[in-house]
This record gives sequence, structure tokens and C-alpha cells, in this order.
Amino acid sequence: DVVMTQTPVSLSVSLGGQVSISCRSSQSLVHNNGNTYLSWYLQKPGQSPQLLIYKVSNRFSGISDRFSGSGSGTDFTLKISRVEPDDLGVYYCGQGTQYPNTFGAGTKLELK
Amino acid sequence: EVKLLESGGGLVQPGGSLRLSCAASGFTFTDFYMSWIRQPPGKAPEWLGVIRNKANGYTTEYNPSVKGRFTISRDNTQNILYLQMNTLRAEDTAIYYCARYYGYNFDYWGQGVMVTVSS
Repeated sequence: DVVMTQTPVSLSVSLGGQVSISCRSSQSLVHNNGNTYLSWYLQKPGQSPQLLIYKVSNRFSGISDRFSGSGSGTDFTLKISRVEPDDLGVYYCGQGTQYPNTFGAGTKLELK
Repeated sequence: EVKLLESGGGLVQPGGSLRLSCAASGFTFTDFYMSWIRQPPGKAPEWLGVIRNKANGYTTEYNPSVKGRFTISRDNTQNILYLQMNTLRAEDTAIYYCARYYGYNFDYWGQGVMVTVSS
């Protein structure tokens, strides 16, 4: 299975600040078709996870441009700028390149 | 609007069985792959498996961690996704989500249903 390693485990941020979350995979996430299926999800307290970013850097419908994804191969980053209260929760990276799909352990974003 | 609503969770004894349902609406059900994902309390999500769409013959893939014990199926006339879980263990205790699988990720999730395996 592809192991997804996220750092840091938790982050404290001031409102209006910027943060970055790292995600590394144990194998390249480049699919045979040339695409890289790395996604980012946010799970707000008491809610289901929601899709933020797909294929490394594409924002899902309705997602603010304050969220941006980058990376390639095995190293990926999610950046959140101008942090708002509604951004707080646990962020997960996930890969869909090969079965079984796997997720990172999560990064908890909290207010400083 | 895409909606996914799970049901069927609850308390079950070790070794028991349970079937979860997920009612889907707001999209053409047969066009989409559907997945089940679970999340033990305080832990990361774990993908359980997927059932493909009509164009791909409704075939299935499973996480080896549950293969042989869990079965995913779908009723395409009623737009319902199922998860049959057999020989349940304490470590199967989790919130179970159904999710639409599109573009190699999970674009919509249900609200989840709790399954507790305990004597």
C-alpha cells in the first residue's frame, strides 16, 4: 500500500495568517495515464471530510482561491492563505493513483 | 444537489453482521463509482472499497484489510449503495461513510453512520 506521511501533526495559526502542510507518499503518485491523483480534504469538527483539492492543484467546486496545492511525484504541499475561522479542522491528503486508496494521518489546524 | 444519506449503523456483537445503506440523490447514480470509507474515532479515514459504474460493469475493488468479510453492492433502481459487513471485530468500530468516487477522489461524502462492535 502507498503510505501517506503528513507533517506537521498540528499547526497553530493566527487569523489572517498563512500555513503550509506537507504530504509525502512512499511511492510516486504518477498514474500510468500521466496524471497525479493527490487530493486534499478538510474535516471540520463534527462533519464529514470535504474535498478541497484534486489532482495536486485543482480546486474543487466552491473552494476559495486561498487554498492552493502544489507538488509532484512523492512530495506535495497545501497552502492556506489569509486563514479564516471556517478553515479550522483536520486536513488529510489522500492518493487515488493505486488501490487501495490511502490517506495521511491528518494535520490539525488550530487558532493561536 | 448531491446528497448521500447513510443508515443501518448501531451496536453489534463481535462475530455479528450488519448491512449499511446509503441513499443517493441529485445525480445520475449509474454514471458514478461509489465507495465506502470508515473512520475510527480520532483516526484517519480508511478506504474500504469501490463499486464501479454501469459503463464498467459494476465491478468491485476492496481494501485487503476487509476483503472477504465486507461486500459492496448497489441497487440501481432505487439509487442505494450497500455495505454488507460480516464477522465483525472490535477494530471495525468506526464511523462509516459512503462517498461518490469521481476522478480518482471522493468528491461528495455522506454524514456518516456509527458502527460499534462490542459485547
